[in-house]
Amino acid sequence: QVQLVQSAAEVKKPGASVKVSCKASGYTFYTYFIHWVRQAPGQGLQWLGKINPSGAGSTTYAQRFQGRLTMTRDTSTGTVYLDLRTLRSEDTAMYYCARGDDGYGSTWLDFWGQGTLVTVSS
Amino acid sequence: SSELTQDPAVSVALGQTVRITCQGDSLRSSSASWYQQKPGQTPVLVVYAKDNRPSGIPGRFSGSSSGDTASLTITGAQAEDDADYYCSSRDSSGDHSLFGTGTTVTVL
Repeated sequence: QVQLVQSAAEVKKPGASVKVSCKASGYTFYTYFIHWVRQAPGQGLQWLGKINPSGAGSTTYAQRFQGRLTMTRDTSTGTVYLDLRTLRSEDTAMYYCARGDDGYGSTWLDFWGQGTLVTVSS
Repeated sequence: SSELTQDPAVSVALGQTVRITCQGDSLRSSSASWYQQKPGQTPVLVVYAKDNRPSGIPGRFSGSSSGDTASLTITGAQAEDDADYYCSSRDSSGDHSLFGTGTTVTVL
């Protein structure tokens, strides 16, 4: 069965960086994009970006995170990583990875990781 | 516009029908998907590509769209449908994704 297993919760100080991992299993890793979504406490879902696990590992980031966000992948372990730098308190959120599928002129996220809570606090 | 707007909250009597709407320019070129999220839980896909249901999602969930508005309808709402619902679509560029502002559905 498809599973996305994320790394444990993190507590970081403002200005620091955080790296969250997402290990995929139960399907052929390089055939689906992985998207990252976050949710601040009591708030809605926010799309951060996506990575294509195949080929060169191309990425697309939401404009507001350009320059602060990097997504990478390790095809040998089927793991995708999210690296967010220069953390501020507003980055405190649950971070989710999710498998993306496409068709009919649409994209949807059919399997989600369990979430990784990132807390930014001095 | 790069936004998807939803009503913040709706309520429905047990067993009745409720429709949740999602409005945005991107919906003219990209079909919507819908996610259900219960408190403390991970989002779950309930409708994709406008009107398709993943396996395991009850038939009372259905999707539709017209112009710049997509809708999720719950026909015969059950107590377990009490949750937040988010729409999503590609943006106008086709390469990014957007989420709606979310709707809290309360089943009375």
